[in-house]
Amino acid sequence: GEDVEQSLFLSVREGDSSVINCTYTDSSSTYLYWYKQEPGAGLQLLTYIFSNMDMKQDQRLTVLLNKKDKHLSLRIADTQTGDSAIYFCAENGDNFNKFCFGSGTKLNVKP
Amino acid sequence: DSGVTQTPKHLITATGQRVTLRCSPRSGDLSVYWYQQSLDQGLQFLIQYYNGEERAKGNILERFSAQQFPDLHSELNLSSLELGDSALYFCASSQDSMTSGAFFGQGTRLTVV
Repeated sequence: GEDVEQSLFLSVREGDSSVINCTYTDSSSTYLYWYKQEPGAGLQLLTYIFSNMDMKQDQRLTVLLNKKDKHLSLRIADTQTGDSAIYFCAENGDNFNKFCFGSGTKLNVKP
Repeated sequence: DSGVTQTPKHLITATGQRVTLRCSPRSGDLSVYWYQQSLDQGLQFLIQYYNGEERAKGNILERFSAQQFPDLHSELNLSSLELGDSALYFCASSQDSMTSGAFFGQGTRLTVV
């Protein structure tokens, strides 16, 4: 079955790095994604990683994938108050076109 | 702007009523997904359509149904509404390519009173 888990809250100070973690159970996932949801808005795709990669960097974002442990993380460098949002981890699961989402991690950035 | 349009943005209705939520996917996207986001922020997958046919089903109640039309827009029908159905309902669309992920609409906030 598919199960994606995330911690619910993370609080950091502006300028620090944030690390949001996610675990998943479906080893057949070929792509894993990070989405951001700002208050009152829909989910926005931030980045994705192919399952045969260990790391992907995109400006302030670094995605790390440990396929053996089924662990995915998103690191945001130099976190800003505008990064405050809910971050969702997702996998494409055993159904080619089905996206399974975690419960989301609410990131609070303190000035 | 994701290119996915959902209407209406807000809906208030009474228990026992029936409502229809509408979604227009991004141009060229054949897949449409429906998700329910409750107040505790969890995102529950309801159902997916691909080019007019149901492809995957999640925890969708029997009181709920959906369809995708030949022009690829989709509707989610919620009937015999209960207070617990109050939530944000998101539609997302995607191409077949997994690298694009799914693009989300702004959601419909349903309040059942």
